[in-house]
Amino acid sequence: AQTVTQSQPEMSVQEAETVTLSCTYDTSESDYYLFWYKQPPSRQMILVIRQEAYKQQNATENRFSVNFQKAAKSFSLKISDSQLGDAAMYFCAYRTGRDDKIIFGKGTRLHILP
Amino acid sequence: DSGVTQTPKHLITATGQRVTLRCSPRSGDLSVYWYQQSLDQGLQFLIQYYNGEERAKGNILERFSAQQFPDLHSELNLSSLELGDSALYFCASSVSSDRGYYEQYFGPGTRLTVT
Repeated sequence: AQTVTQSQPEMSVQEAETVTLSCTYDTSESDYYLFWYKQPPSRQMILVIRQEAYKQQNATENRFSVNFQKAAKSFSLKISDSQLGDAAMYFCAYRTGRDDKIIFGKGTRLHILP
Repeated sequence: DSGVTQTPKHLITATGQRVTLRCSPRSGDLSVYWYQQSLDQGLQFLIQYYNGEERAKGNILERFSAQQFPDLHSELNLSSLELGDSALYFCASSVSSDRGYYEQYFGPGTRLTVT
């Protein structure tokens, strides 16, 4: 069965600094997608970034980028120039190419220090 | 605003009761997904419907059931409620469940409290 592990329950970063959130996953599939979702205090689930397993190039979305290490089954999220609005729970997630269900990690709560 | 609507926003009920959560997908989306977010279990997939038919099942209890209607809205029915069913229930929708990538758009959730 596929699993997603986030080993950092909480992290803090100074405003304007860079922070990296870790995620590892386990799968025997070759076709899959990886995601980072953000859940702010409003509880809305917001897709931050997506990575297709077949793509070697790491995905980037403005200040957000990932380090996708397929062989190591690692998928970390780097947030550059952290802003107060980045404070949220961040979930690493996985989806196979065969179906649509998303498997989420337990989340990392990110605090931004002014 | 994702375009997915869920009602009610909050629901407080007693153990043993039955409730119905409603979800309206984004216009044009055929797939609806239900997720449960609880302190114990985290965020987990419950069930998926595609154009009225059940497409995938996750860790959904037998006391829970769902359906998708011809107008594509979906309802999640929770019965014989227990304290442990207290959670945030999310609905998400996507254009299609065919092979390939289609983004799932999440609704704001329904907060269920069982007392």
